Amino acid sequence: GENVEQHPSTLSVQEGDSAVIKCTYSDSASNYFPWYKQELGKGPQLIIDIRSNVGEKKDQRIAVTLNKTAKHFSLHITETQPEDSAVYFCAAASNNAGNMLTFGGGTRLMVKP
Amino acid sequence: DVKVTQSSRYLVKRTGEKVFLECVQDMDHENMFWYRQDPGLGLRLIYFSYDVKMKEKGDIPEGYSVSREKKERFSLILESASTNQTSMYLCASSLLGRVEKLFFGSGTQLSVL
Repeated sequence: GENVEQHPSTLSVQEGDSAVIKCTYSDSASNYFPWYKQELGKGPQLIIDIRSNVGEKKDQRIAVTLNKTAKHFSLHITETQPEDSAVYFCAAASNNAGNMLTFGGGTRLMVKP
Repeated sequence: DVKVTQSSRYLVKRTGEKVFLECVQDMDHENMFWYRQDPGLGLRLIYFSYDVKMKEKGDIPEGYSVSREKKERFSLILESASTNQTSMYLCASSLLGRVEKLFFGSGTQLSVL
């Protein structure tokens, strides 16, 4: 089945700096890659997603890039703010896995004011 | 906004007890999910339901069962709780399918002593 690895597990940045979280996946048939943000005491919330026919997608300060050849995708947050502090999860979906999401282990991002 | 409500935020149970975790969504979504969240392991799918009385096993169904008698309600049942089932349990629902735009509840932190 699909295996998704996420790095780093923790990331600390200064407010205003950029943050990058990387994920790799194992199943070349995976075709949908969402990112979820989980704030303290809340459930994860979808912040951006990308499909395999697109190489990059941007939404204000966040962007996701996908490299199908290398089987990795990344989340980029620019001009980080304290409210960006949260746990971020990447995920991948493959038809080979019954079309269910497989999540990475999560990255705790801390933005220091 | 979609609201997914989990009945308890914290729950403490004893080994061997039968445990019910309840989840209700208010947006008429067809699909509902139960995930388990453990540090470093991300979110792992326990069970999925795509319609009333319909269910599918996820990645880690052992020791769990589910019930969906009404469209808005999805229950997770631990028949005989064990200490290795101590975890954060997250319920989710989606309109579009098995992988897209999941809406999560705030979670139930279950401790089995």
